[in-house]
Amino acid sequence: EVQLLESGGGLVQPGGSLSLSCAASGFTFNSYVMNWVRQAPGKGLEWISGISGSGRSTYYAESVKGRFTVSRDNSKNTLYLQMNSLRAEDTAVYYCARRGSGRYFGLFDFWGQGTLVTVSS
Amino acid sequence: SYVLTQPPSVSVAPGQTARISCGGNNIGGKNVHWYQQRPGQAPALVVYDDSDRPSGIPERFSGSNSGNTATLTIGTVEAGDEADYYCQVWDNTSDHPVFGGGTKLTVL
Repeated sequence: EVQLLESGGGLVQPGGSLSLSCAASGFTFNSYVMNWVRQAPGKGLEWISGISGSGRSTYYAESVKGRFTVSRDNSKNTLYLQMNSLRAEDTAVYYCARRGSGRYFGLFDFWGQGTLVTVSS
Repeated sequence: SYVLTQPPSVSVAPGQTARISCGGNNIGGKNVHWYQQRPGQAPALVVYDDSDRPSGIPERFSGSNSGNTATLTIGTVEAGDEADYYCQVWDNTSDHPVFGGGTKLTVL
């Protein structure tokens, strides 16, 4: 059974930093592109970052480029998101999501339960 | 970047059919995926590649895609179908995924 479990959310001041983790199990972790998708309170879904199975390629939405860094440790089956220079508008639930493989590369087939990040003074 | 437009809300009585639209420029040329997000839960894939269903998703959920509009259809709606629904495509220009703004389905 595929499982994705995020952790690391919490309250942080504007301009501060926070690191999120996503522990994966139930599949061959290094075979999949992994992603972070966030959802501001009462708002819709926003894809913010992805990383290739090997970790060599990373992808970012313009809204977080230069501030957030995605990485992975395939030996630990864990995905990370380092968030710096946080702003109030970064307040959201952050989901870890697996992208489909092969011809299904464009969809997200499994999601974690999310972790809440609140940026406030 | 590519924009997907969904109605903010759709209401339907139990047992009726709900249709949720997703508009985009020539969206008929893209693969559209739909996610259901029940209150307080993570999104879950309910339809992929316009009209296919993942295992475990009832046949009541179906989809279509043509021209500038994709549609998620939920037949014989139940109270448990009350949720937010999001369409999603891959934007070849930005090489990033794009989500619609979401539609809240209310079962009257």
